[in-house]
Amino acid sequence: DQQVKQNSPSLSVQEGRISILNCDYTNSMFDYFLWYKKYPAEGPTFLISISSIKDKNEDGRFTVFLNKSAKHLSLHIVPSQPGDSAVYFCAARTSGGGADGLTFGKGTHLIIQP
Amino acid sequence: DTEVTQTPKHLVMGMTNKKSLKCEQHMGHRAMYWYKQKAKKPPELMFVYSYEKLSINESVPSRFSPECPNSSLLNLHLHALQPEDSALYLCASSQARNDQPQHFGDGTRLSIL
Repeated sequence: DQQVKQNSPSLSVQEGRISILNCDYTNSMFDYFLWYKKYPAEGPTFLISISSIKDKNEDGRFTVFLNKSAKHLSLHIVPSQPGDSAVYFCAARTSGGGADGLTFGKGTHLIIQP
Repeated sequence: DTEVTQTPKHLVMGMTNKKSLKCEQHMGHRAMYWYKQKAKKPPELMFVYSYEKLSINESVPSRFSPECPNSSLLNLHLHALQPEDSALYLCASSQARNDQPQHFGDGTRLSIL
């Protein structure tokens, strides 16, 4: 059973416009959420995260929104740039001290068109 | 450039071989992780080390044997692997807290003949 879902395998957006990537989760114990970007032949690169005590976190062009009641989060990229073309993974984990692994969604391939 | 370094980048081995994957970080992180990623799939957790002790083993077959010699190094020893073990093996590190992000290396692409 998939606990983190990214239902759009791919998304095409025009350069300069807003990219919105969506993620849903089913495990109510998740309380820390992350977005990673992955280029081919590279490992995932951390972009931005959000704790469940917040509903928004912003870092430059990237903003993550969390709706706990809907178990939904989204990543907004404004403005979209050609270098943003990559696979974006949503990930989540539970709290509780110490270290724990991440549960990933299947990823969304974002394509920025000139 | 990634701050988590994995070697080798590519590895081809037969089913009877023994080899090791290596991972190194110098960010002072006390938690290190191994993930496995098959083509067109998300990374899946294999092992977690916290303060050099194995804290999580996600029911990984014993042909995969992790080792954490010190706080900067993480190894994955491989023996008698199967063709279905061919995948990208990713190492990550983080502070030993669940409100800190994990940082990944570029992985080792493993092919089992």
